[in-house]
Amino acid sequence: NAGVTQTPKFRVLKTGQSMTLLCAQDMNHEYMYWYRQDPGMGLRLIHYSVGEGTTAKGEVPDGYNVSRLKKQNFLLGLESAAPSQTSVYFCASRPQGGSNQPQHFGDGTRLSIL
Amino acid sequence: RKEVEQDPGPFNVPEGATVAFNCTYSNSASQSFFWYRQDCRKEPKLLMSVYSSGNEDGRFTAQLNRASQYISLLIRDSKLSDSATYLCVARDPLTGGGNKLTFGTGTQLKVEL
Repeated sequence: NAGVTQTPKFRVLKTGQSMTLLCAQDMNHEYMYWYRQDPGMGLRLIHYSVGEGTTAKGEVPDGYNVSRLKKQNFLLGLESAAPSQTSVYFCASRPQGGSNQPQHFGDGTRLSIL
Repeated sequence: RKEVEQDPGPFNVPEGATVAFNCTYSNSASQSFFWYRQDCRKEPKLLMSVYSSGNEDGRFTAQLNRASQYISLLIRDSKLSDSATYLCVARDPLTGGGNKLTFGTGTQLKVEL
């Protein structure tokens, strides 16, 4: 059982380049999330999805777009990368159910924008 | 003021010690609380949920005080393998379809021989 898988694990981009981060989960979870983690800031929610075909903005959505065409995949896009987007990105998923359902995280993507 | 505040530490304790971490949250609408553990350069992993009546899982005890908006985590008989950063997390059911998790910046624990 792979759980939540993120690709790529590492990436270095130049300012202005675009890229897509892929998150895949094999647990049939309804909800999926993209976070970024920066020193001294804690994890911050970028975008999330409550089901296939739906997405919503989180706390820090600017500069990012997402898509959930298939239930198991949640893509995070950077259309024009900026140095401020240098961060560690985590994807997470959780099943429907009570509010105490925990989120399961992927092992992160380390992104550097030069 | 951050919504979820934690002492960043580090807490350096000898093996076998008991250590307690505190966390305060400012959003009174928060209903669910968790402690996650994060090892260096790894993903956060759920350590335990925090229930109103307090709950225990082996050497770990979590407490919630809604009146003071305060959460705690107690680790007894610390092991070297407990060295990690502990994240306090609050969920607001009224925001983002109940999907808004607010993470503290974490408290670093180092258990030493």
